[in-house]
Amino acid sequence: GDSVTQMEGPVTLSEEAFLTINCTYTATGYPSLFWYVQYPGEGLQLLLKATKADDKGSNKGFEATYRKETTSFHLEKGSVQVSDSAVYFCASIKAAGNKLTFGGGTRVLVKP
Amino acid sequence: DVKVTQSSRYLVKRTGEKVFLECVQDMDHENMFWYRQDPGLGLRLIYFSYDVKMKEKGDIPEGYSVSREKKERFSLILESASTNQTSMYLCASSLVDNRAYEQYFGPGTRLTVT
Repeated sequence: GDSVTQMEGPVTLSEEAFLTINCTYTATGYPSLFWYVQYPGEGLQLLLKATKADDKGSNKGFEATYRKETTSFHLEKGSVQVSDSAVYFCASIKAAGNKLTFGGGTRVLVKP
Repeated sequence: DVKVTQSSRYLVKRTGEKVFLECVQDMDHENMFWYRQDPGLGLRLIYFSYDVKMKEKGDIPEGYSVSREKKERFSLILESASTNQTSMYLCASSLVDNRAYEQYFGPGTRLTVT
């Protein structure tokens, strides 16, 4: 079946550091890909998405590019802030599907 | 502003008790979902519903049942709670069209079974 694998955390960074969280997927066909973020004490919220190969999703300074050749969707941010401390989930959904497949989540802690 | 609410943020129950977790959404969404979230395992789908009185098993339905009598409300039921059901439970909802990926989540219920 479909699966999503992302790097385990926690990832601890200093403010203004560069952040990368790796995500790879296995799926039949061409899924859409997403990053969700969960801030402390809250539910998940959609951060960005990409629906076809070579699409780049971006939001709040975060970016991720859909790479079909490497089946990857790595999340990056050039300069993190303390407020970016959260758990980040990579997810996929099949075309015309309605069920998301989530990765294990990566906790990010940004220190001032 | 869109909203998904869950009946409790924290819940402590004893082994063997029947437990009800309630979820309400105010967005007129067709799809509703129940997940459990465990460290290192991410979110795993327990059940989802695509319409009133309609339900479909997710990846880990054993030990759970659901009820959807009204469009805005989706209940998760633990018939006889066990300690391995201690977890964070998240409810979500979405539209049924091609934006089904944009799921809106509630804040979660942290359930402890002793």
